[in-house]
Amino acid sequence: DGGITQSPKYLFRKEGQNVTLSCEQNLNHDAMYWYRQDPGQGLRLIYYSQIVNDFQKGDIAEGYSVSREKKESFPLTVTSAQKNPTAFYLCASSERAQETQYFGPGTRLLVL
Amino acid sequence: GDSVTQMEGPVTLSEEAFLTINCTYTATGYPSLFWYVQYPGEGLQLLLKATKADDKGSNKGFEATYRKETTSFHLEKGSVQVSDSAVYFCALSPRNQFYFGTGTSLTVIP
Repeated sequence: DGGITQSPKYLFRKEGQNVTLSCEQNLNHDAMYWYRQDPGQGLRLIYYSQIVNDFQKGDIAEGYSVSREKKESFPLTVTSAQKNPTAFYLCASSERAQETQYFGPGTRLLVL
Repeated sequence: GDSVTQMEGPVTLSEEAFLTINCTYTATGYPSLFWYVQYPGEGLQLLLKATKADDKGSNKGFEATYRKETTSFHLEKGSVQVSDSAVYFCALSPRNQFYFGTGTSLTVIP
């Protein structure tokens, strides 16, 4: 089955620690995205990538980093510089930029 | 700039009631318009979309018509079910980025 997977479903971070969220797609999509969702709020774009080895900052990139070494993978690292990381993180992909986005099941990040 | 404004929630309806969730947008050019649905603890699922003026998107009894003259894309369903309880997001894609509304929470009671 084609789709987008995110792991883990829940992730706990200690103070000062970097953590990496995984996002994999087997849809052969060129574009991939990371969003942050806070309770009762909409989605805010963190980073996006339109093609392998290229990515751009979204609206709230500070404290986050990404890589796009393979077409199917777009991991997100939440660094210690992100002072309020507790949120629900959603990964999405689309065949090309501006096309319909398809979402993974999300990762909930909690701070210990 | 480009943006989406959708109806504030939460919305509570009885089963079989008529649903309307308003969505208006601001964008240059001819964006595609989308409705997504999010069930508790899950990612977003595409519900329907429209790519040009006067297009009607439909799926699972939900409908929305792309109205360029009123810059709107209101979501409607004639008879809601308990299983429709979720958060609904309107979105537009004018260029290389998606813009999402803040979401409208719908609860349907038996």
